[in-house]
Amino acid sequence: QKEVEQNSGPLSVPEGAIASLNCTYSDRGSQSFFWYRQYSGKSPELIMSIYSNGDKEDGRFTAQLNKASQYVSLLIRDSQPSDSATYLCAVPLGYTGGFKTIFGAGTRLFVKA
Amino acid sequence: EPEVTQTPSHQVTQMGQEVILRCVPISNHLYFYWYRQILGQKVEFLVSFYNNEISEKSEIFDDQFSVERPDGSNFTLKIRSTKLEDSAMYFCASRDSLSSGNTIYFGEGSWLTVV
Repeated sequence: QKEVEQNSGPLSVPEGAIASLNCTYSDRGSQSFFWYRQYSGKSPELIMSIYSNGDKEDGRFTAQLNKASQYVSLLIRDSQPSDSATYLCAVPLGYTGGFKTIFGAGTRLFVKA
Repeated sequence: EPEVTQTPSHQVTQMGQEVILRCVPISNHLYFYWYRQILGQKVEFLVSFYNNEISEKSEIFDDQFSVERPDGSNFTLKIRSTKLEDSAMYFCASRDSLSSGNTIYFGEGSWLTVV
């Protein structure tokens, strides 16, 4: 059974701090990795994708990937109260990844003003 | 910006009734998906659809469920003889096989309540 594991949290950080969210996955064949943000009662919204080992930055967000350790993380710099949401790690399975993307249970983030 | 649209946004149905949830994927996308999220739980994969057939389905997607792409634009999920435990948010998603890698884009969801 392929799995994506996340710390469910909640993770609470003060406004302006860095929030660090972590994810591990079991499928060594997966080639791409995604972070989605989900507000309560809403659909998942894509934040970032990462395909290569190392860091990828987009504004206040940095995704980090280590395929050898099967680990992907998301850093949110200068956290804002509007960042308070559940963050979902998503992994398409297998080399092509076309047919099944599985999600972790998500980490709830609270940013305190 | 193109988006995945879903109808209805909310449906209440009696146990044992049939429900059809409808989706219009992004127009140039080729892969289509249904996911389910029970309140407070994780987003669960139900089924993927490509080239007019199911490409993969989860153990949740049993004979009670079916999908169809009847007219080249709509993508539907039918749930026969609904049960209380089918109450959930159902998300449709789609993916372009070309430039966006494996990124899937979600609709706003259809909230199904079975009473």
